[in-house]
Amino acid sequence: KAGVTQTPRYLIKTRGQQVTLSCSPISGHRSVSWYQQTPGQGLQFLFEYFSETQRNKGNFPGRFSGRQFSNSRSEMNVSTLELGDSALYLCASSPPGLAVTYEQYFGPGTRLTVT
Amino acid sequence: AQTVTQSQPEMSVQEAETVTLSCTYDTSESDYYLFWYKQPPSRQMILVIRQEAYKQQNATENRFSVNFQKAAKSFSLKISDSQLGDAAMYFCAYRSGEYGNKLVFGAGTILRVKS
Repeated sequence: KAGVTQTPRYLIKTRGQQVTLSCSPISGHRSVSWYQQTPGQGLQFLFEYFSETQRNKGNFPGRFSGRQFSNSRSEMNVSTLELGDSALYLCASSPPGLAVTYEQYFGPGTRLTVT
Repeated sequence: AQTVTQSQPEMSVQEAETVTLSCTYDTSESDYYLFWYKQPPSRQMILVIRQEAYKQQNATENRFSVNFQKAAKSFSLKISDSQLGDAAMYFCAYRSGEYGNKLVFGAGTILRVKS
């Protein structure tokens, strides 16, 4: 089975622009979560989508948004980019079902640099 | 809100020796799950071990084991017979027993393995 894939792997954007990152979960997985990793703030939860609905949301400004498609692929969008948005963005998927013990499988991440 | 604290920014261990990474957490919930994730230089997050709070028995996965002290809210990771491939950043993570997949991560501990 193919793992979680994220595209693009690297991205350079200018302050004020917007960006869209994509995540394809493992086949059959319906939950997709997004995390931001920075040296200063560490790993922080952005949001989770399950069956095309946002199920959980972290403490990020409204510039950060996401969505999930019927095939479980997810995108996250950051509008009006700021220098502080430079980070590694990780996506994770989980198998179907409601059991919270299910492992989250992480993708390789998208490295976003804002200049 | 739940918090996870890893008080050791960096640890070193000699190959074949044993090392213990510390983690404490704060929560008012009784139902939750704890995880240790490994992030090597490739940045791919890998689940090392998980512990359900309702289980008294400490989890074990090959050379990896945990010491789960629920009353003390402590969750340490012991790595036995350390190998060069164990060198990575290790994150302790908390997940509520409520609906959803949100993980709260600690700041991480860099583990260096000396040959």
